Amino acid sequence: AQSVTQPDIHITVSEGASLELRCNYSYGATPYLFWYVQSPGQGLQLLLKYFSGDTLVQGIKGFEAEFKRSQSSFNLRKPSVHWSDAAEYFCAVVGMEYGNKLVFGAGTILRVKS
Amino acid sequence: GAVVSQHPSRVICKSGTSVKIECRSLDFQATTMFWYRQFPKQSLMLMATSNEGSKATYEQGVEKDKFLINHASLTLSTLTVTSAHPEDSSFYICSAQRGAPLDTQYFGPGTRLTVL
Repeated sequence: AQSVTQPDIHITVSEGASLELRCNYSYGATPYLFWYVQSPGQGLQLLLKYFSGDTLVQGIKGFEAEFKRSQSSFNLRKPSVHWSDAAEYFCAVVGMEYGNKLVFGAGTILRVKS
Repeated sequence: GAVVSQHPSRVICKSGTSVKIECRSLDFQATTMFWYRQFPKQSLMLMATSNEGSKATYEQGVEKDKFLINHASLTLSTLTVTSAHPEDSSFYICSAQRGAPLDTQYFGPGTRLTVL
C-alpha cells in the first residue's frame, strides 16, 4: 500500500532561520505530491503540488519543495521562517494505482521561536 | 479561486440528535467531494468520497447509515451525522475536486462537532 512518512513530529526553528520538512513516500510509480498547511482549528491550505516536469516547485508564502525520485522524497523548504509560519504541515500523495484518494503523512508541527 | 466553505464552523448537539454539515465549492464546480475526520493531534482520515448525482463510496469501517452523505449538485455536498453520540465528536473537513481524478483537492475550513 502507498504510504507517506513525515519523520519529524515536531520541529522548532528560530524566526529568520531556514526550514526543511521531510517527506518520504512509498509508491510504485510517480505519484502526485502535495504539501498542505493547517493552522489550529482550521482546514488545510494547499502550499504547492508536484505532478510532473520541473522537480523543484514553488508554492505560496515563499515555500518550495523538491521531488527526488531516487530518494522517494518531497521535502518542503523555506529560506527564512516567519512567526506566522507556525502551524502543522501535511505531506500527501495520490496515485492512480490506489484510486483517487489522498494519503496523508502524520504531519509535522512547526514552532517558531523569536 | 478554488474556495471551499463549510457550515457551520462549530456545532454542539445533544446525544441522539442529528447534525447536518454543508460543504460548498464557491467558485468552481466540484465533480467529486470528500469527507474527512480528524482526531486531535492526528492526521486526516478519509470517510467517504461522493460524486455528484451518485451514491457516496464509504471507506472501510465507516458506517454509511450513521454518516449520510448527499451530493445533490456540483457545488454542494452534505454530511449528516445521525443519532450522534459523544464518540462522534470530532473535526470534520470536506474537500472538493474540480474534475479529473488525481486533481488537486481544495479543503474547507472544517466543522467542530461536539456531542454532549
